[in-house]
Amino acid sequence: KAGVTQTPRYLIKTRGQQVTLSCSPISGHRSVSWYQQTPGQGLQFLFEYFSETQRNKGNFPGRFSGRQFSNSRSEMNVSTLELGDSALYLCASRRAAQSPLHFGNGTRLTVT
Amino acid sequence: AQSVTQLDSQVPVFEEAPVELRCNYSSSVSVYLFWYVQYPNQGLQLLLKYLSGSTLVESINGFEAEFNKSQTSFHLRKPSVHISDTAEYFCAVSGDNAGGTSYGKLTFGQGTILTVHP
Repeated sequence: KAGVTQTPRYLIKTRGQQVTLSCSPISGHRSVSWYQQTPGQGLQFLFEYFSETQRNKGNFPGRFSGRQFSNSRSEMNVSTLELGDSALYLCASRRAAQSPLHFGNGTRLTVT
Repeated sequence: AQSVTQLDSQVPVFEEAPVELRCNYSSSVSVYLFWYVQYPNQGLQLLLKYLSGSTLVESINGFEAEFNKSQTSFHLRKPSVHISDTAEYFCAVSGDNAGGTSYGKLTFGQGTILTVHP
């Protein structure tokens, strides 16, 4: 069974640009969550989607947004990139309410 | 609000020695607790979880953790470590609403880097 797939693995962008990251959950998983990992702030929750609806949102500015499609695939978008947005962005999916999260290998975003 | 404190940022040990990685949490609701491991350039892998029932949970590769509600702790232990256990370990907590539903929102500790020396 394929795991959580994130594309691309690496991305380099310039300040002010926008970026879209993609996540394909494990087959049968309907919930997708996104996390940002940085050396300074650690792992921080961005948002969670279930059945195309945002269920929960972390404390990030409105420049960070996401969506989920009918096939459970998810995308997150960051507009007007800042240097501080450089991070590893992790996507995770879960099968049911009491199931643990399964993480992908992440997309490493570098903003120059 | 929930928070997780991993008391040691780095733990160096020799191969075949025992190890304990400490984790304390605070929460105003019932919690689910997790340990994840991260190897370089990879995502997080679930090591073990506490949802309910027995307070001692074990993983397939020899790690165990004990949920201690009175001390609000969930320490991770292994009686004999291997070189391959070198990685960063994260303790995490998720909330449980009155209906017993878990969330996809985890609060993580800052991580403990375990380095196993030969």
